[in-house]
Amino acid sequence: AQSVAQPEDQVNVAEGNPLTVKCTYSVSGNPYLFWYVQYPNRGLQFLLKYITGDNLVKGSYGFEAEFNKSQTSFHLKKPSALVSDSALYFCAVRDWDSNYQLIWGAGTKLIIKP
Amino acid sequence: NAGVTQTPKFQVLKTGQSMTLQCAQDMNHNSMYWYRQDPGMGLRLIYYSASEGTTDKGEVPNGYNVSRLNKREFSLRLESAAPSQTSVYFCASSEEEVLSTAFYEQYFGPGTRLTVT
Repeated sequence: AQSVAQPEDQVNVAEGNPLTVKCTYSVSGNPYLFWYVQYPNRGLQFLLKYITGDNLVKGSYGFEAEFNKSQTSFHLKKPSALVSDSALYFCAVRDWDSNYQLIWGAGTKLIIKP
Repeated sequence: NAGVTQTPKFQVLKTGQSMTLQCAQDMNHNSMYWYRQDPGMGLRLIYYSASEGTTDKGEVPNGYNVSRLNKREFSLRLESAAPSQTSVYFCASSEEEVLSTAFYEQYFGPGTRLTVT
């Protein structure tokens, strides 16, 4: 069965430190992977995606993600965290068993402490 | 461009009442989606529309109906609201086209917070 896992409900990082939010996946076809961010009381915003090409994908707000095929992972990273990065982060992967749909992770709450 | 807009922002219903959530996008996207978001469960797809005039069920369609009124608008209707439908509802759109192999990111509206008592 296809799935996405975000193994951490919450990640705490000190401002200025590097951050990583983890995502692993299982899909029946090519992995088309996405990261979205949700700020409090807002809709989701697209951060970045991996479809094909370089394993390191750069996105909005200084975020990047590393695609690792052997580990079936797509971890979100940022070299230096800001307090304003505090939000809920979702990983998603294309569902090859249905048209135009995504399989969503449960989300990881990122808290950046000053 | 306003992107994806949703109305209303908040709504309180009593069990058994009906209501329609409205969604519109101004990006000329073909595909539109309705999701619900519940704590600890991520997003669950209710219905989607791959093109004007077509709709399909998602993961949790029971208790809901949808209408793709035109390319811009995609509404979600609760015919007889139940407390289990208390949730935050998001509309989204994307560029996907029927039979295309391309796959695009989705753009989300600000959400409707619905409480059913």
